[in-house]
Amino acid sequence: IAGITQAPTSQILAAGRRMTLRCTQDMRHNAMYWYRQDLGLGLRLIHYSNTAGTTGKGEVPDGYSVSRANTDDFPLTLASAVPSQTSVYFCASSEAGGSTDTQYFGPGTRLTVL
Amino acid sequence: GQNIDQPTEMTATEGAIVQINCTYQTSGFNGLFWYQQHAGEAPTFLSYNVLDGLEEKGRFSSFLSRSKGYSYLLLKELQMKDSASYLCAALDSNYQLIWGAGTKLIIKP
Repeated sequence: IAGITQAPTSQILAAGRRMTLRCTQDMRHNAMYWYRQDLGLGLRLIHYSNTAGTTGKGEVPDGYSVSRANTDDFPLTLASAVPSQTSVYFCASSEAGGSTDTQYFGPGTRLTVL
Repeated sequence: GQNIDQPTEMTATEGAIVQINCTYQTSGFNGLFWYQQHAGEAPTFLSYNVLDGLEEKGRFSSFLSRSKGYSYLLLKELQMKDSASYLCAALDSNYQLIWGAGTKLIIKP
């Protein structure tokens, strides 16, 4: 069982380009999340999905979009990347959203926007 | 606003005990999580407290005082592999996690 996988592991991107970060889980968890982690700051929630077909905005959603077509996949898209989006991006999942369930994290994607 | 405070960095000696403190201010409260994150890796779950008191899990224990908005993580018999960042996160009234910036723990032989 892989848990949560993310792709790519790392990416260098020119400003203005479109980029999709992939996230797949095989735990049949209902809820999925996207966070960014920057030095000196806590993890910040970008978008979340409590169940397939629904999504919601987190603390820092601007410049990002997500979709949740099925239970397993939760891609994050940067429509037009900017240097301030340079960060490490973590996808996470939990059995249920809006609950006290533990979140499990993928290995992360290190994104550099030049 | 919502805020989580924890020390930026701590240093301890192998075999010793260390306590990492966390204070939180959130709109509503549904529990407090501690995660461990080794450099370059994903956070992994350590503990969850929702009731006041101490919960022990092997070498790691976590304490919560809801009235004081305070938690700590206690690590005993420190090992070199415990060198990592420890993230405190509080679950607010909307069941969203509010994360601290993490405490980097350095273990010296």
